[in-house]
Amino acid sequence: DQQVKQNSPSLSVQEGRISILNCDYTNSMFDYFLWYKKYPAEGPTFLISISSIKDKNEDGRFTVFLNKSAKHLSLHIVPSQPGDSAVYFCAARGRSNDYKLSFGAGTTVTVRA
Amino acid sequence: EPEVTQTPSHQVTQMGQEVILRCVPISNHLYFYWYRQILGQKVEFLVSFYNNEISEKSEIFDDQFSVERPDGSNFTLKIRSTKLEDSAMYFCASTLRRTVQETQYFGPGTRLLVL
Repeated sequence: DQQVKQNSPSLSVQEGRISILNCDYTNSMFDYFLWYKKYPAEGPTFLISISSIKDKNEDGRFTVFLNKSAKHLSLHIVPSQPGDSAVYFCAARGRSNDYKLSFGAGTTVTVRA
Repeated sequence: EPEVTQTPSHQVTQMGQEVILRCVPISNHLYFYWYRQILGQKVEFLVSFYNNEISEKSEIFDDQFSVERPDGSNFTLKIRSTKLEDSAMYFCASTLRRTVQETQYFGPGTRLLVL
């Protein structure tokens, strides 16, 4: 299943700076996108989501941008904090696929103090 | 805050043995899912379950797999005859409703190792 792609396996960022995580998708039937955060030995934890009718959603330090024409979304974390060090998964779903989530491979974020 | 729980956290088994992974979804949730993540790979959908029936299953979910809601709280995934390639982290998830905007809440996972 290559419908959701996260091409950067890792990202290292200085504390206080912006982290930008990217995600691309191929299935035009996807209409809802989510970001999950995962710490080692824990399950994915929901972070933020965006509907396809929007192009931006903001929640505190986290903002997700959606470019439907490019089939691209990004997650911005500002400012980055050491506790943000985790694996971030982009996920997508649509009515046509029974609401199951299709995940990207994940990006490991390391925030340096 | 309500959460999805899974037991055991780790399971080691011999190839060919049966394993049952257990999940307790959030109490008022109605839709249940199993996903798995093989080491170094993506989280993959296995199966969705609602009203005591499978709603959808992936190609991975073959005849060796089955799911059950034996009572009002547990949701189980059974692998009848485990293979080496079944070694993975298995995640249970649940949602209250089945709408596009509904968030799936995940459990901490069971790490299955087949020897």
